[in-house]
Amino acid sequence: KQEVTQIPAALSVPEGENLVLNCSFTDSAIYNLQWFRQDPGKGLTSLLLIQSSQREQTSGRLNASLDKSSGRSTLYIAASQPGDSATYLCAVRDYNNNDMRFGAGTRLTVKP
Amino acid sequence: KAGVTQTPRYLIKTRGQQVTLSCSPISGHRSVSWYQQTPGQGLQFLFEYFSETQRNKGNFPGRFSGRQFSNSRSEMNVSTLELGDSALYLCASSWTSTADYGYTFGSGTRLTVV
Repeated sequence: KQEVTQIPAALSVPEGENLVLNCSFTDSAIYNLQWFRQDPGKGLTSLLLIQSSQREQTSGRLNASLDKSSGRSTLYIAASQPGDSATYLCAVRDYNNNDMRFGAGTRLTVKP
Repeated sequence: KAGVTQTPRYLIKTRGQQVTLSCSPISGHRSVSWYQQTPGQGLQFLFEYFSETQRNKGNFPGRFSGRQFSNSRSEMNVSTLELGDSALYLCASSWTSTADYGYTFGSGTRLTVV
């Protein structure tokens, strides 16, 4: 059964720092991996989608990598800003069950 | 381009009542998935529909049901509400049954059961 784990559960950094969020999954049979951002009480906003054949995707200050063989993905945020404060979730589209499995998220706080 | 629309945004119901939530996917998306989000359990998968057929179902009791219409709009229904059903209900749409282009989520419906 596919399980998705995110470390750390919470992270607090001063503004301007570069940071890395981690996501691991137990079964490498995936279609893709998607990173989302969620603000309190709101829906999920898609940040980056990486297909199983890709190694990384970039959007602005965000870079996500995927190492399918080791079951890991990282989300790199450069020059963090207070507006980046949110919960970040990763999800994999599992091949065997054909469903989307989510991690519990990393709650990020960027202090001014 | 319109995003995923969920209605209503907020709902307060009494224990024992039933509720219907609606989700309109992005135009052209044929797959709709539903999730329940609570502080303790995180995001839990409810069910997924593609072209009016339920493709997958999570581990929820039979009180939770759903359907998808020919225009891809989807509804989920919860009967005999319990206090523990209080949650943010999110729906997500995608182009294909394997979410080749990822998911797009709606803003959610906040259900409070009193």
